[in-house]
Amino acid sequence: DTAVSQTPKYLVTQMGNDKSIKCEQNLGHDTMYWYKQDSKKFLKIMFSYNNKELIINETVPNRFSPKSPDKAHLNLHINSLELGDSAVYFCASSTDRGAHTDTQYFGPGTRLTVL
Amino acid sequence: RKEVEQDPGPFNVPEGATVAFNCTYSNSASQSFFWYRQDCRKEPKLLMSVYSSGNEDGRFTAQLNRASQYISLLIRDSKLSDSATYLCVVDSSSGGSYIPTFGRGTSLIVHP
Repeated sequence: DTAVSQTPKYLVTQMGNDKSIKCEQNLGHDTMYWYKQDSKKFLKIMFSYNNKELIINETVPNRFSPKSPDKAHLNLHINSLELGDSAVYFCASSTDRGAHTDTQYFGPGTRLTVL
Repeated sequence: RKEVEQDPGPFNVPEGATVAFNCTYSNSASQSFFWYRQDCRKEPKLLMSVYSSGNEDGRFTAQLNRASQYISLLIRDSKLSDSATYLCVVDSSSGGSYIPTFGRGTSLIVHP
């Protein structure tokens, strides 16, 4: 079974549309993350949630809204998509935020293309 | 913003070679350091943590130099399968919530 799964794997859409990406982890982890990896391969953290509570929001436009219905899920909703949103979005999870020794387990990524 | 920097490469080496990468960081308060590996069009996966005293895992050795604020990864006896991008990760927080910050990655190509 996949530890961290994301859907969809590919997403092609028009500018101005609203889309969601879903993430689920079955590792029993408390913390989940969203990252964006742009065309230059730079992997940047967007959000972090611990037990359904937002703990990191890294200057992401408010068109991006994470939603955590329970600690196993962290979905990403994007409003009014722009060309610059085209990237690969990775979800990740880790066990505990406090120890600073977390291994992160990444999902397979969602390749978003905005036309 | 606390930064993490890596030479993007690519490092092009023959099989059996020894290769080393460095990663510099600006957050002197960082408590955690990792190396991840990312294959083309795949997700990053943990390669190894980096401990203060240095650590080794088979052909891979990681070192931390706090005084100069860099971590290093040494790969001995390179294999074709080592070809990938190697990402360093450093905690960018100043004592609050853990903020993992990835470097841009160093590309390694091992050729026959």
